[in-house]
Amino acid sequence: ETGVTQTPRHLVMGMTNKKSLKCEQHLGHNAMYWYKQSAKKPLELMFVYNFKEQTENNSVPSRFSPECPNSSHLFLHLHTLQPEDSALYLCASSQDLPNRGSGNTEAFFGQGTRLTVV
Amino acid sequence: AQKVTQAQTEISVVEKEDVTLDCVYETRDTTYYLFWYKQPPSGELVFLIRRNSFDEQNEISGRYSWNFQKSTSSFNFTITASQVVDSAVYFCALSMYSGGGADGLTFGKGTHLIIQP
Repeated sequence: ETGVTQTPRHLVMGMTNKKSLKCEQHLGHNAMYWYKQSAKKPLELMFVYNFKEQTENNSVPSRFSPECPNSSHLFLHLHTLQPEDSALYLCASSQDLPNRGSGNTEAFFGQGTRLTVV
Repeated sequence: AQKVTQAQTEISVVEKEDVTLDCVYETRDTTYYLFWYKQPPSGELVFLIRRNSFDEQNEISGRYSWNFQKSTSSFNFTITASQVVDSAVYFCALSMYSGGGADGLTFGKGTHLIIQP
């Protein structure tokens, strides 16, 4: 198993559909993230889960709904998306260290889900 | 607020040439971390290096080297004797440590490096 696995790799959905993206990490990390990568824009942090609790939202529209049932799994539930939501959605995990100055270790990324909203 | 600027959108060099990718960052935090990631066409971001703000020593790993200059807020990445397999998009990223938990990364827009045979 690779470190961080995302499914599906590609997804085409209509604006009225409901779908979910799945991420699983096999690294024993305690923090997981969702990022959005659009064309010609920097990767944008969407959600952060640390010890299964969401700690950062970054003002993501409510049509994106994250779920973290345990420290190894992360979902992104999608509903009533817009064409501009078409992008590569990347999941990442890292090990958060408890002491200030230690920070968190490097994030390991999955291969992403290429989402197209039609 | 923090920001990462990679001014070079695309660089094209011939194989075996040396190439430097620039990264300039902005942060008000005194404790922060800098990263470089490589994104090949497959899409997965591959971690290359992590450096904390207290360590200004330059680092060399094979053909890769990194120059961290706190005075100019720069963290440049040099590939010597470039190879076609180095072709990818390279991202510089910044992370702060809030003391309370995991921090996400602030990425630059990336530099698309093309190595021509």
